[in-house]
Amino acid sequence: SAVISQKPSRDICQRGTSLTIQCQVDSQVTMMFWYRQQPGQSLTLIATANQGSEATYESGFVIDKFPISRPNLTFSTLTVSNMSPEDSSIYLCSVAGSPRGETQYFGPGTRLLVL
Amino acid sequence: AQTVTQSQPEMSVQEAETVTLSCTYDTSESDYYLFWYKQPPSRQMILVIRQEAYKQQNATENRFSVNFQKAAKSFSLKISDSQLGDAAMYFCAYRIKAAGNKLTFGGGTRVLVKP
Repeated sequence: SAVISQKPSRDICQRGTSLTIQCQVDSQVTMMFWYRQQPGQSLTLIATANQGSEATYESGFVIDKFPISRPNLTFSTLTVSNMSPEDSSIYLCSVAGSPRGETQYFGPGTRLLVL
Repeated sequence: AQTVTQSQPEMSVQEAETVTLSCTYDTSESDYYLFWYKQPPSRQMILVIRQEAYKQQNATENRFSVNFQKAAKSFSLKISDSQLGDAAMYFCAYRIKAAGNKLTFGGGTRVLVKP
């Protein structure tokens, strides 16, 4: 499986500001994804990061709130915009190594607290 | 709606003993993958085991094995010879092949290992 890193590992932010989270993979991967894990909850897919095109968002998530970039096959960013306390969560990126994407492997996550 | 249900919020097991975590899911699709992920306090999501729905043989990975009952839509995880390092949240998930790469997660089961 690929080695996945995320920056920052944690942050405390003020409401109304934005935070960009980076996800770096040590090898080229076909698919990259962003998930949110709210406190004490399970994981919910935010979007699929597509290389060279706009991300594909799941129901309930919009580009204006969670803009995503994927400039190449090893890197992606997720921005949490105009934050509110409800955005306090762990944000995880995951990757699938094959086009069929049978299995996803996860990064260590970014713990975000919004005051 | 397609859902994954983990009915046990928390399970406790004595070190070296066996514990079984239950998972049921609801889908009308016949071709899908099932997964168990482990999330220790460090919050890194780690793949434990994977099962392809068209394979009747239950997957095993060292001390971890599954009991896959497709007709009953059940996918339980057995941890044998439990170790202190097994203490974590365990999430059951599936991916419908026809629905792209979205992973749908259950609510999780916390496993406590008593020395």
